[in-house]
Amino acid sequence: EIVLTQSPGTLSLSPGERATLSCRASQSVSSSYLAWYQQKPGQAPRLLIYGASSRATGIPDRFSGSGSGTDFTLTISRLEPEDFAVYYCQQYGSSPTFGGGTKVEIK
Amino acid sequence: QLQLQESGPGLVKPSETLSLTCTVSGGSISSSSYYWGWIRQPPGKGLEWIGSIYYSGSTYYNPSLKSRVTISVDTSKNQFSLKLSSVTAADTAVYYCAGNPAAAPFDYWGQGTLVTVSS
Repeated sequence: EIVLTQSPGTLSLSPGERATLSCRASQSVSSSYLAWYQQKPGQAPRLLIYGASSRATGIPDRFSGSGSGTDFTLTISRLEPEDFAVYYCQQYGSSPTFGGGTKVEIK
Repeated sequence: QLQLQESGPGLVKPSETLSLTCTVSGGSISSSSYYWGWIRQPPGKGLEWIGSIYYSGSTYYNPSLKSRVTISVDTSKNQFSLKLSSVTAADTAVYYCAGNPAAAPFDYWGQGTLVTVSS
């Protein structure tokens, strides 16, 4: 099983600031099968990024993903009020796994 | 635009079997090239993939849950189902059904349903 470790656990930032979230895999993620989701309280996760760096339909371009192998990053260039949420990475190989999440909170 | 909706009991007794159904609308469960899966989230915690099924009936399970999980599909009703046996309090969670194209992440999700395991 591929274990995904997200850091930091919590990120305290102000609107307009840049957010950088990390996701590290215990072994190489094949074909960059790495996705990022956003989850708000009481809601299902929403797909943001797939293939490590491709934005899903309707996702604003302030969200970007990068990385390969075992190290991946989600960047939110300028935080909007609606971006404060929990973010999860996921590898979607043969046995999908999720990271533990990073909470982006208002400072 | 696919829509998914979970249904089933919100309370299950310890040692019994948890049963949930996901109804897919806006498209045929068998005509689209989608896999259909179950993911759960204990209160205040992260996400855990339980398993997935293709309309043909091929199943894929989380190794840590495999001995207790059965996922099935009913194409005539456009539904797929989850059974989790011998539940304990640790199985208390919001259960989501979701869909994903082959070799792609989950892009359609149900709203989730809370299942509590308690006597």
